[in-house]
Amino acid sequence: AQKITQTQPGMFVQEKEAVTLDCTYDTSDQSYGLFWYKQPSSGEMIFLIYQGSYDEQNATEGRYSLNFQKARKSANLVISASQLGDSAMYFCAMRERKAAGNKLTFGGGTRVLVKP
Amino acid sequence: KAGVTQTPRYLIKTRGQQVTLSCSPISGHRSVSWYQQTPGQGLQFLFEYFSETQRNKGNFPGRFSGRQFSNSRSEMNVSTLELGDSALYLCASSFNPGQVSTGETQYFGPGTRLLVL
Repeated sequence: AQKITQTQPGMFVQEKEAVTLDCTYDTSDQSYGLFWYKQPSSGEMIFLIYQGSYDEQNATEGRYSLNFQKARKSANLVISASQLGDSAMYFCAMRERKAAGNKLTFGGGTRVLVKP
Repeated sequence: KAGVTQTPRYLIKTRGQQVTLSCSPISGHRSVSWYQQTPGQGLQFLFEYFSETQRNKGNFPGRFSGRQFSNSRSEMNVSTLELGDSALYLCASSFNPGQVSTGETQYFGPGTRLLVL
């Protein structure tokens, strides 16, 4: 079974509008972390936001917020006030405590294209 | 502080050859992880090094190997290259004080694009 599922392969969003990127995960671990990364066409993965499994508040970082619903095992990324520079691939990733070291498991990604 | 650097950025090899990729982590970071990204398989974890020891390994054949030096710089090597090894290879570093925290953020380099002909 897929550990991280991103069901939206691609999305268009109008500049200045908000967009929600879906991410569901599967783990039996009680302690885990969820991450979102942005990958522009240049290839570099840029860290956006982190949510811990024990965090009661949803994480926010500037225009990025994470809608964490633990019971549903979902960690959706919300980008507010989209900008042209937000056009990129977005990846949801998970680190499980039971996994030794720093291994991240990634979803398949969602490509976002912001229209002017 | 300088980010993660990877060299070379682009590489073209032929089947059967071997290749070595290099990664310099952010200063002070002790953990280096490697990932392979392909259109078909997505992002897959290769291995992680911490204090010169491999701490975790993904499901890749033995042709893929790596090492870490005392200054935390890391190299990965792929021997007997196959067409399917064509990919973007990403290196990531994190501070990692020793006790793994699920919140330890990994910072990625720009990647090395390998094309095997």
